[in-house]
Amino acid sequence: DAKTTQPPSMDCAEGRAANLPCNHSTISGNEYVYWYRQIHSQGPQYIIHGLKNNETNEMASLIITEDRKSSTLILPHATLRDTAVYYCIVRAFGNEKLTFGTGTRLTIIP
Amino acid sequence: GAVVSQHPSRVICKSGTSVKIECRSLDFQATTMFWYRQFPKQSLMLMATSNEGSKATYEQGVEKDKFLINHASLTLSTLTVTSAHPEDSSFYICSAGGGESYEQYFGPGTRLTVT
Repeated sequence: DAKTTQPPSMDCAEGRAANLPCNHSTISGNEYVYWYRQIHSQGPQYIIHGLKNNETNEMASLIITEDRKSSTLILPHATLRDTAVYYCIVRAFGNEKLTFGTGTRLTIIP
Repeated sequence: GAVVSQHPSRVICKSGTSVKIECRSLDFQATTMFWYRQFPKQSLMLMATSNEGSKATYEQGVEKDKFLINHASLTLSTLTVTSAHPEDSSFYICSAGGGESYEQYFGPGTRLTVT
């Protein structure tokens, strides 16, 4: 699976949109982009995934560039409960394994 | 999403003893379960993949005789840490998968402390 690069940490003001970037320049055509987050001392939580089209669900939006080499996870109205480590993972369809990188530690500031 | 439970949530054991951690998928049948380990301030590291009814596949560097994995049913997998040592102290997390979208649903984790 392709490797991903994320900034180690970010801050965002409560109520504002949090935009978390992820670089995956070596992504292959059959690889999806997944986002998970891990709140302190809990198991990871699935957020969203996509292949090439932008995706939106009740938690977040995923914007994937046209060349698929990078993506951005958007939390539209961040709350204090969104403080967590966010992991961007690239995974081929049919491969059940998830390889976690170091992620981005997002801190929502009151 | 699907619900995955782990038991116990915390366990303290003495060096040399064995500890069993259970992982259950509560509302779906998980053909595959995964076990991860996470040390403080580090990311999750996959230890092994288990498929119901067959032997687990361990990642490189993980001792299969030390970390015994059993996946006897579609809703239960167990991880037994045998002859535990203080360096085995960690946060152990399981996940369950097998749906059409190959999603993984994670348990809440088990914090193991070996004294």
